[in-house]
Amino acid sequence: ETGVTQTPRHLVMGMTNKKSLKCEQHLGHNAMYWYKQSAKKPLELMFVYSLEERVENNSVPSRFSPECPNSSHLFLHLHTLQPEDSALYLCASSQSLGTPIGETQYFGPGTRLLVL
Amino acid sequence: GEDVEQSLFLSVREGDSSVINCTYTDSSSTYLYWYKQEPGAGLQLLTYIFSNMDMKQDQRLTVLLNKKDKHLSLRIADTQTGDSAIYFCAETSPGGGSYIPTFGRGTSLIVHP
Repeated sequence: ETGVTQTPRHLVMGMTNKKSLKCEQHLGHNAMYWYKQSAKKPLELMFVYSLEERVENNSVPSRFSPECPNSSHLFLHLHTLQPEDSALYLCASSQSLGTPIGETQYFGPGTRLLVL
Repeated sequence: GEDVEQSLFLSVREGDSSVINCTYTDSSSTYLYWYKQEPGAGLQLLTYIFSNMDMKQDQRLTVLLNKKDKHLSLRIADTQTGDSAIYFCAETSPGGGSYIPTFGRGTSLIVHP
């Protein structure tokens, strides 16, 4: 499999559930990202990992917990979410951090999340 | 205001050319990108241009950059119904050693017969 894959593609959860989103990249990249895409809002960067180390956390609520066990896998653990967290969650990867071409991002297809 | 601005909608007839425009504010922008998002999918990198270039052509796509006016455009020749999607402009500039792109809100391109 090539590129960036995400599972599940669709997820419905209640506010008391715990679930996880998974992202896997097959590009040999060293940096991975989580974005939130909501209707009528710009793309929101949530987390950035480089070589499994978190380098950026853009004031994301603690009900979102990322995990990067290796440079190919990225998880987003979800617990006690709110209805306003319903959105498309996109994972991306890039070759590295610190250079413009290295931070050119390649995206997965996203997980469409609905919180009831 | 936002760092990267795009108009929200563009409607064109099949076979015509589409021109999607984008303006940005950061004069130190180094790379500028166009991404395409089809319904239910993630963002697909279409093309990018380095800031010292003023034009890049790739098959039906032509990117024009006016660095003085901080204006970027994407022209799609012979637009097809399969080109209907949301097109995102993004730019990178050095900020704290990071070049993480800043995205616009996206332009919805509607192609009608």
